[in-house]
Amino acid sequence: GAGVSQSPSNKVTEKGKDVELRCDPISGHTALYWYRQSLGQGLEFLIYFQGNSAPDKSGLPSDRFSAERTGGSVSTLTIQRTQQEDSAVYLCASSGPSGTGAYNEQFFGPGTRLTVL
Amino acid sequence: SQQGEEDPQALSIQEGENATMNCSYKTSINNLQWYRQNSGRGLVHLILIRSNEREKHSGRLRVTLDTSKKSSSLLITASRAADTASYFCATKTSGSRLTFGEGTQLTVNP
Repeated sequence: GAGVSQSPSNKVTEKGKDVELRCDPISGHTALYWYRQSLGQGLEFLIYFQGNSAPDKSGLPSDRFSAERTGGSVSTLTIQRTQQEDSAVYLCASSGPSGTGAYNEQFFGPGTRLTVL
Repeated sequence: SQQGEEDPQALSIQEGENATMNCSYKTSINNLQWYRQNSGRGLVHLILIRSNEREKHSGRLRVTLDTSKKSSSLLITASRAADTASYFCATKTSGSRLTFGEGTQLTVNP
């Protein structure tokens, strides 16, 4: 597609349930990032994938959070046993191949607004 | 605390005025980027300035970088109501991660 897409755009779930958030990066982009943004706050880094390298998971807040990237393209962020404090907008971004100008700029999707009741 | 910190947190101006937002950071950087966010959704990249650059222009945007003070400023000239948004600075170190600040909420009144 022309840009980064995310689904669903909104997700309401009950405390304790698992959720999966999906990100489709720009075709050809080798890097993919997940961020979390609470209301009125800045972006909190969660996880980063670059090609076939091991992902940088240093931003994941707990072991309830996990992400995978299949075939170097689509990524899924999974939150298990959701808590109310997980409510936030989850943003995905991708960037071009390392060593190119596009590598420095991140292209963001519209985000998934997660509400945990 | 966050690597990038913007000030002010909120700025309200009249259409036609200039808006200046500042960003400070703590560690050495490879580059600094400014992003814009409307309505709490996806961010849009505005401009990038490398660590060896001091000033950069793009349309009505002017960015400065002072690596000795570890600070940057974003100037929007002749502001328009459509410039109303949140503006974030993001720093990139030797790795690939961007570290975002808390943002400045700019309101441009018609």
